Amino acid sequence: QSVLTQPPSTSGTPGQRVTISCSGGRFDIGSNYVYWYQQLPGTAPKLLIYRNNQRPSGVPDRFSGSKSGTSASLAISGLRSEDEADYYCSTWDDSLSAVLFGGGTKLTVL
Amino acid sequence: EVQLVQSGAEVKKPGESLRISCKGSGYSFTNYWITWVRQMPGKGLEWMGRIDLSDSYTNYSPSFQGHVTISADRSISTAYLQWSSLQASDAAMYYCARLWAGGTAIDYWGQGTLVTVSS
Repeated sequence: QSVLTQPPSTSGTPGQRVTISCSGGRFDIGSNYVYWYQQLPGTAPKLLIYRNNQRPSGVPDRFSGSKSGTSASLAISGLRSEDEADYYCSTWDDSLSAVLFGGGTKLTVL
Repeated sequence: EVQLVQSGAEVKKPGESLRISCKGSGYSFTNYWITWVRQMPGKGLEWMGRIDLSDSYTNYSPSFQGHVTISADRSISTAYLQWSSLQASDAAMYYCARLWAGGTAIDYWGQGTLVTVSS
């Protein structure tokens, strides 16, 4: 059971906007930056959002992140078929001295 | 270009030992940490532990402490994950990744090493 809580699945149609939530606690999300990773089928994860809301070079601006208190969210606008993937949130836990991952959210583009 | 290149897939029997590797290039290896992440078939990402390449300090997730060892050879920019006695439950994909931000966040990932454990 993951310490960070994400919905197991979500879906949307092309062009739609979807959001994925990530809930944690005081010593993890509440005290540290949140990162998001995209894992396309059969591939390694890739950094999508860093430091809550920053996009690495090459990540489309359709992807955005936010954080408030002990929760964070990833938003994908203008949904495309190639966005179909698993998405993971991650942060650092000060009390455990550990990297935490959410359980992952499978995004299906209908 | 930052690259983490992992060793190839392995097929082992229960009780056997194994060491898989992760070679970094395109950056100053000793200025970062390397971490290992397990992904069991059809499941999510699990953090196993990390190593500071500047001094080889390690810390592990309690779930993996004592079962695996993380090490590195700075002279060849390579980190390792090893088991002394594999169990069937160790069958998984293993990813190495680079940690930045003081060793607390992943920015680059290796391509993964698939470990199969079967008698």
